[in-house]
Amino acid sequence: AQSVTQLGSHVSVSEGALVLLRCNYSSSVPPYLFWYVQYPNQGLQLLLKYTSAATLVKGINDFEAEFKKSETSFHLTKPSAHMSDAAEYFCAVSALSNDYKLSFGAGTTVTVRA
Amino acid sequence: DAGVTQSPTHLIKTRGQHVTLRCSPISGHKSVSWYQQVLGQGPQFIFQYYEKEERGRGNFPDRFSARQFPNYSSELNVNALLLGDSALYLCASSSGDGRVYEQYFGPGTRLTVT
Repeated sequence: AQSVTQLGSHVSVSEGALVLLRCNYSSSVPPYLFWYVQYPNQGLQLLLKYTSAATLVKGINDFEAEFKKSETSFHLTKPSAHMSDAAEYFCAVSALSNDYKLSFGAGTTVTVRA
Repeated sequence: DAGVTQSPTHLIKTRGQHVTLRCSPISGHKSVSWYQQVLGQGPQFIFQYYEKEERGRGNFPDRFSARQFPNYSSELNVNALLLGDSALYLCASSSGDGRVYEQYFGPGTRLTVT
């Protein structure tokens, strides 16, 4: 079975500061890893995905994440936070062994201070 | 192209009632998955369908059922509603044979059980 743990349920950053959201995964088979963003009262939007190609993955809106197998991590970063980045972020894992069903973390809420 | 659509957007039901939620996938997508997102938590997998056949079921009681139609749209049915069924229900579609990892989410249906 696959699972993810998101460290920190809330993160507060200043506008222009680095955004770092932590995600650790557990999987007995090669995983596929995802970051989704959810704005209030909306569905989930895919930010980026890792599918066993390059370990450094670039996504939309200047977000990127690095797959580190030795640390079982897939942390999300953005160099400079914008007010529009305030949202909830979910890390998710899937694998062939479970027909690619997504298993989500509990989420991290990001607030951006002016 | 239209994204994943879900209806209704909101509904309020009373304990013991039945509810039907509907989802239309992205054109050309043959797989639909359903997720339940309780307030403050990450989405939890309920069902996955491909070509009208159930491909997977999460850890939900038999009160939850679903089906997929020839046009690949899908319905999620919940019987004997409980207060704990109050949640955002998300539908996601994916292309190919349903074993492709990337899923696109709709805006969700907000169900409130009173």
